[in-house]
Amino acid sequence: ETVMTQSPAALSVSPGERAILSCRASQSVNSDLAWYQQKPGQAPRLLIYGASTRATGIPPRFSGSGSGTDFTLTISSLQSEDFAVYYCQQYKNWPRLTFGGGTRVEIK
Amino acid sequence: QMQLQESGPGLVKPSETLSLTCTVSGGSIITNNYYWGWIRQPPGKGLEWIASIYYSGNTYYNPSLESRVTISVDTSKNQFSLKLSSVTAADTTMYYCARTTGDWYFDLWGRGTLVTVSS
Repeated sequence: ETVMTQSPAALSVSPGERAILSCRASQSVNSDLAWYQQKPGQAPRLLIYGASTRATGIPPRFSGSGSGTDFTLTISSLQSEDFAVYYCQQYKNWPRLTFGGGTRVEIK
Repeated sequence: QMQLQESGPGLVKPSETLSLTCTVSGGSIITNNYYWGWIRQPPGKGLEWIASIYYSGNTYYNPSLESRVTISVDTSKNQFSLKLSSVTAADTTMYYCARTTGDWYFDLWGRGTLVTVSS
């Protein structure tokens, strides 16, 4: 099983600042990496797939990068609606799909 | 616009079988482009993929749950379903149905349904 490790577990950021979230895979997943945003009481929403491609309707302040085992989600200028939990997911080793433990982005 | 909606009992007794259904609206479940799956999330915790199915009936399971899980599809009703047997308190969690692209990321989710296992 490919273990996905996200860091930090929580991140305090002021509105307008940049947030950088990390996701590391225990083995290479090439670019088969997705990011999701989950707000309280809501289902996750797809943000990024293919490590760097924004999903439909996702604003450009969200960007993904990386390949192999190390990935980053950057939110360039945090808006109030961006405070949420973010998960990464690998799909290289389907159907053994695995998610990271999540990073909570909190208001500083 | 396609939507997914979970349904099923919110309370299941230990050792019994949990059964959930996901109804697909706004489009057909019979499509070459998507697979249909279930993901769960214990309260306050991370996400765990359970299983996925293609409209033709091809199934894919998380090895850690495979012995207890059955996923099925009913194309006549535009639905797919999940059965999880021999449930315990550890199966108390939010269950989401979701659409998977051929690349196996989840681009559409239902709102989720909370299932509690308790006597």
